[in-house]
Amino acid sequence: AQSVTQLDSQVPVFEEAPVELRCNYSSSVSVYLFWYVQYPNQGLQLLLKYLSGSTLVKGINGFEAEFNKSQTSFHLRKPSVHISDTAEYFCAVSFKAAGNKLTFGGGTRVLVKP
Amino acid sequence: DADVTQTPRNRITKTGKRIMLECSQTKGHDRMYWYRQDPGLGLRLIYYSFDVKDINKGEISDGYSVSRQAQAKFSLSLESAIPNQTALYFCATSDPTAVVDTQYFGPGTRLTVL
Repeated sequence: AQSVTQLDSQVPVFEEAPVELRCNYSSSVSVYLFWYVQYPNQGLQLLLKYLSGSTLVKGINGFEAEFNKSQTSFHLRKPSVHISDTAEYFCAVSFKAAGNKLTFGGGTRVLVKP
Repeated sequence: DADVTQTPRNRITKTGKRIMLECSQTKGHDRMYWYRQDPGLGLRLIYYSFDVKDINKGEISDGYSVSRQAQAKFSLSLESAIPNQTALYFCATSDPTAVVDTQYFGPGTRLTVL
């Protein structure tokens, strides 16, 4: 069965520091990769997605992610976080062999401290 | 106005009661989904519908049922609610004609079963 693992359940980080959120998935077949953000008391909002082509994907709010096929990873990064980046972040994978349904990781809660 | 709306936003009910959660969308998408979110588990798929006549079980459909009343409406029912169905429920939509079947989420319904 396909699975998605977010290695850190919580990441505290100081304002203006960089942050990296890790995501690994289990699949040897073609996938589409997504990062969603959930701000407090809100639904999920798409940050970025990888379909094909360049392995470095840029998203909204200064976030970017890098697809690494050999390591089956799709880590999310931001060079300098703001207080407003405090949220929960979800990695999701769409496995083409599974009819493109999304499988989500468990989420990483980012707390940005002043 | 929001593209994907969910009602109610919050609901507290008692064990054994029948509950219906409703989702409406104005995006014109054929595909609709219901997920539940639990801490540390991410989002898990309950049911999905690729068009009005096509309804499919997700990974955790036991105890739930759905109805696709129209392209724009997809309801989730708990026939006899139990406490472990306490969770945050999300509806999502997607457009299969897009290059990648990206999902768009509603704001969520927080359900508490006492």
